[in-house]
Amino acid sequence: ETGVTQTPRHLVMGMTNKKSLKCEQHLGHNAMYWYKQSAKKPLELMFVYNFKEQTENNSVPSRFSPECPNSSHLFLHLHTLQPEDSALYLCASGDSPSGSGEQFFGPGTRLTVL
Amino acid sequence: GEDVEQSLFLSVREGDSSVINCTYTDSSSTYLYWYKQEPGAGLQLLTYIFSNMDMKQDQRLTVLLNKKDKHLSLRIADTQTGDSAIYFCAERRDSSYKLIFGSGTRLLVRP
Repeated sequence: ETGVTQTPRHLVMGMTNKKSLKCEQHLGHNAMYWYKQSAKKPLELMFVYNFKEQTENNSVPSRFSPECPNSSHLFLHLHTLQPEDSALYLCASGDSPSGSGEQFFGPGTRLTVL
Repeated sequence: GEDVEQSLFLSVREGDSSVINCTYTDSSSTYLYWYKQEPGAGLQLLTYIFSNMDMKQDQRLTVLLNKKDKHLSLRIADTQTGDSAIYFCAERRDSSYKLIFGSGTRLLVRP
């Protein structure tokens, strides 16, 4: 596989469920990102990891819990979500932003919370 | 503020040029990016420009940057039906990890 992959592509869950989203990058990048894309809203940065260390948490509710075991893998653990959390969750990777800092995105996980 | 603004919709005829505009607010922006999103897909990086450049050309794509007016544009020459998608501009400030995205412009290419 090449690029940035995400699984699952679609997820439907109830408010009491616990689930996890997975992201894997094959680009040799140091930084990984979680974004939330909701209808009619700009893309929202949720978390940033650089060399496995979290460098940014954009006031995300604790029902979203990220995990970065190494520079190639990123998880988003979900529990007791709300219907308004339904969105497309995008993972991205990139080099450290001292240079051009492009970010490369995966295809996303379409999450529906019932 | 953190606003990056784009018009919501653009419709062009196949073969014409498309120009998608974007304005941003922060003069400390270092890099500006254009991404394309097709239905059901993630964001695809099209091109980017460093803030000390005025123009960048890459095949059918031309990026123009007016730093004084904080205005960025993406011109697509000879627009094809496969160019129909949502186009996002984004800015990065200083050496921040954070990209600030606009709301996207939906481009519709009519045959």
